[in-house]
Amino acid sequence: EAGVTQFPSHSVIEKGQTVTLRCDPISGHDNLYWYRRVMGKEIKFLLHFVKESKQDESGMPNNRFLAERTGGTYSTLKVQPAELEDSGVYFCASSQDLAFGGTPDTQYFGPGTRLTVL
Amino acid sequence: GNSVTQMEGPVTLSEEAFLTINCTYTATGYPSLFWYVQYPGEGLQLLLKATKADDKGSNKGFEATYRKETTSFHLEKGSVQVSDSAVYFCALIDVGDMRFGAGTRLTVKP
Repeated sequence: EAGVTQFPSHSVIEKGQTVTLRCDPISGHDNLYWYRRVMGKEIKFLLHFVKESKQDESGMPNNRFLAERTGGTYSTLKVQPAELEDSGVYFCASSQDLAFGGTPDTQYFGPGTRLTVL
Repeated sequence: GNSVTQMEGPVTLSEEAFLTINCTYTATGYPSLFWYVQYPGEGLQLLLKATKADDKGSNKGFEATYRKETTSFHLEKGSVQVSDSAVYFCALIDVGDMRFGAGTRLTVKP
């Protein structure tokens, strides 16, 4: 079974540019999460999708960040325009719905996308 | 609110040394506790977990016990290997709210 995949693995952009990160969850996982780790600090929650709906987006830092999950499969996270403080590692995770045998606390993480804004 | 505090790194040990990485938490409910590991160039992997007080999670020689009285979940391994070099994250989940510690980088030298 393929794990969570993220693309790209690294992205270097200039301040003011736009970047789009992609996450492909494990097939069949309805729950998809985005997290961010900035400058060696703790990993912070950004938002949670259940299928194509945003269940919780309380962690999104500001309106320069836009997450979508059309069709309830893969998700994109767009940063527009990017600022220096957006640099960090963006992780995606997915989990299976409880109704289909998932456990309430097991999230499977992707390798992350390292974003550098110059 | 919920939070996780873990010991700052980096931690450098010689092979076969004993490892402890401290982790304490604050939670309003009854969280499940986790240790995740990130090996170089890879994603976060679940190392072990414990879902209630006094539970002990274990995997690959690592252990951690859920101590409600001290709100702690310290990670231990009796004899580390070079291949254990990685960043270790303590985390909790409480009613769907997942919180991580800042991560501790471990380097094991031969």
